[in-house]
Amino acid sequence: SQQGEEDPQALSIQEGENATMNCSYKTSINNLQWYRQNSGRGLVHLILIRSNEREKHSGRLRVTLDTSKKSSSLLITASRAADTASYFCATDLTDKLIFGTGTRLQVFP
Amino acid sequence: GAVVSQHPSRVICKSGTSVKIECRSLDFQATTMFWYRQFPKKSLMLMATSNEGSKATYEQGVEKDKFLINHASLTLSTLTVTSAHPEDSSFYICSVAGGGNQPQHFGDGTRLSIL
Repeated sequence: SQQGEEDPQALSIQEGENATMNCSYKTSINNLQWYRQNSGRGLVHLILIRSNEREKHSGRLRVTLDTSKKSSSLLITASRAADTASYFCATDLTDKLIFGTGTRLQVFP
Repeated sequence: GAVVSQHPSRVICKSGTSVKIECRSLDFQATTMFWYRQFPKKSLMLMATSNEGSKATYEQGVEKDKFLINHASLTLSTLTVTSAHPEDSSFYICSVAGGGNQPQHFGDGTRLSIL
């Protein structure tokens, strides 16, 4: 399977703490994307990082990409209860997305 | 970004029924849409790429006669699960391709339950 791996599978933290999720993938990429999914809903795009970029920020989100290690990380700073969701990385080579296994984040108030 | 509407959001039906799921791009002309399947607490698996005006491209292991895809216009793709059985119960999600280095835009998904 070409599916990427994410770790941890599940993460529980208190509000205000930072959350870090890691993604490893297997193939070459044009870009890597992070998505969020609330329970039973569709996916919401968070951030896209191109293969020639190493770091990208968007609000409380920080994404890094290391193409030599085929890995990426998503950092959510100062987490809120509303950040509770599943987070997926997805790699894009031919406009088709290959999703990682996902991290379920629980943020306690 | 594109607004994608997926309908119905939930369907429960008897085994042997065929079920049609619609995916509409409300404000974006979508030449390419994607259909995914997601099992509980699992990741999304790409089923097929839906191309406007041509046949869909199915991923390995996906039965094209079981999962019929029609993309007759730039705003609508449909997925029909034919003669559905309990093992077809799942969460089905569509998306619209953004093109180039752009993200996809997802519908809210359809939860299909076959009794």
